[in-house]
Amino acid sequence: NAGVTQTPKFQVLKTGQSMTLQCAQDMNHEYMSWYRQDPGMGLRLIHYSVGAGITDQGEVPNGYNVSRSTTEDFPLRLLSAAPSQTSVYFCASRNPGAGWHSPLHFGNGTRLTVT
Amino acid sequence: AQSVTQLDSQVPVFEEAPVELRCNYSSSVSVYLFWYVQYPNQGLQLLLKYLSGSTLVKGINGFEAEFNKSQTSFHLRKPSVHISDTAEYFCAVTGGLGGAQKLVFGQGTRLTINP
Repeated sequence: NAGVTQTPKFQVLKTGQSMTLQCAQDMNHEYMSWYRQDPGMGLRLIHYSVGAGITDQGEVPNGYNVSRSTTEDFPLRLLSAAPSQTSVYFCASRNPGAGWHSPLHFGNGTRLTVT
Repeated sequence: AQSVTQLDSQVPVFEEAPVELRCNYSSSVSVYLFWYVQYPNQGLQLLLKYLSGSTLVKGINGFEAEFNKSQTSFHLRKPSVHISDTAEYFCAVTGGLGGAQKLVFGQGTRLTINP
């Protein structure tokens, strides 16, 4: 199993550009989420989804859009990138059927720089 | 709403010395508590978790943590560290109505092992 796969690993954008960060998992997990990691701030939840067609906002959703058309994929869209969105982004999934205490499985991250 | 505070942003220790990484949480309901570890340029992986029962939980790589409800703490310990333990460690909490869908992380503690 590949687990959680994120692409690209690195990306540089100019202010105002748009892009989509891809996330795919092959574990049939219903729950998927996006976090951003910034120095001294830990990981903060951007958006999450409890199943195909269902998404909800996390702690820092502004400037990001998500959709969940399949169980496997959960892309994160930046419509108009801003320097404040420079960060490392992590996608994570888990199987809520194993209980809400089941561990998150993380991808290896996407390092995004907005100039 | 839950919150997590990791009291030390950096902890330097010598190899084979004991270490304690401190974590305090805030929640008005029963919670599940976790420690995750992030090795350089990787995603996070679960170290251990507390759900209920015995307040001392053991995890991978010789780590253990003790849940203290009266002090709302969940400190991580290892009696003898190795160079390979150099990583960033995150305490996290989830639980409660609706809160089970959101894992809240602390700011992280960077553990550096010196030879």
